[in-house]
Amino acid sequence: KAGVTQTPRYLIKTRGQQVTLSCSPISGHRSVSWYQQTPGQGLQFLFEYFSETQRNKGNFPGRFSGRQFSNSRSEMNVSTLELGDSALYLCASSSDRASPLHFGNGTRLTVT
Amino acid sequence: EDQVTQSPEALRLQEGESSSLNCSYTVSGLRGLFWYRQDPGKGPEFLFTLYSAGEEKEKERLKATLTKKESFLHITAPKPEDSATYLCAVYPYSSASKIIFGSGTRLSIRP
Repeated sequence: KAGVTQTPRYLIKTRGQQVTLSCSPISGHRSVSWYQQTPGQGLQFLFEYFSETQRNKGNFPGRFSGRQFSNSRSEMNVSTLELGDSALYLCASSSDRASPLHFGNGTRLTVT
Repeated sequence: EDQVTQSPEALRLQEGESSSLNCSYTVSGLRGLFWYRQDPGKGPEFLFTLYSAGEEKEKERLKATLTKKESFLHITAPKPEDSATYLCAVYPYSSASKIIFGSGTRLSIRP
């Protein structure tokens, strides 16, 4: 069974630009969550989607948004990038709420 | 407010030297507690789920236990390949429940 796939693995963007990250969950998993990981803050929850609906949202500004498609694939978008957005962005999928999250290897975003 | 605290922040052991990592949590109610292992440059890898106090799970040199306020990850006779960051996460009962991660314990095993 294929794991969670995130693309691209690395991105370098300039301040003020926008970026879109992609996530393909494990087959059959309908819940997709996004996390931001930085050395200082650890894993911070961004949002969760289930069956194309945002079910939960973390404390991030509106520049961070996401969506989920009918095939459960998900994208997250960050507009007007800031230097502080440099981080590892992790996507995770699960079969239901009580089940553990299974993570991809993330997208490393560097904002210069 | 729901919180998860892991200790120690970092731990260096000699190969074969057993020890334990701690995960303390404060939640209104616990649906489940998860342990993950994360290697540099990779996403967290799922290890265990614990649902109720008294529960224990084992995998190779690792054993996870759960009480009403904390969880321990016991590492018996560790090897250098066990070096990684170990993350604890809790899934609380609340109207806006989401999985909350601790900041992790960086474990280093010297040969």
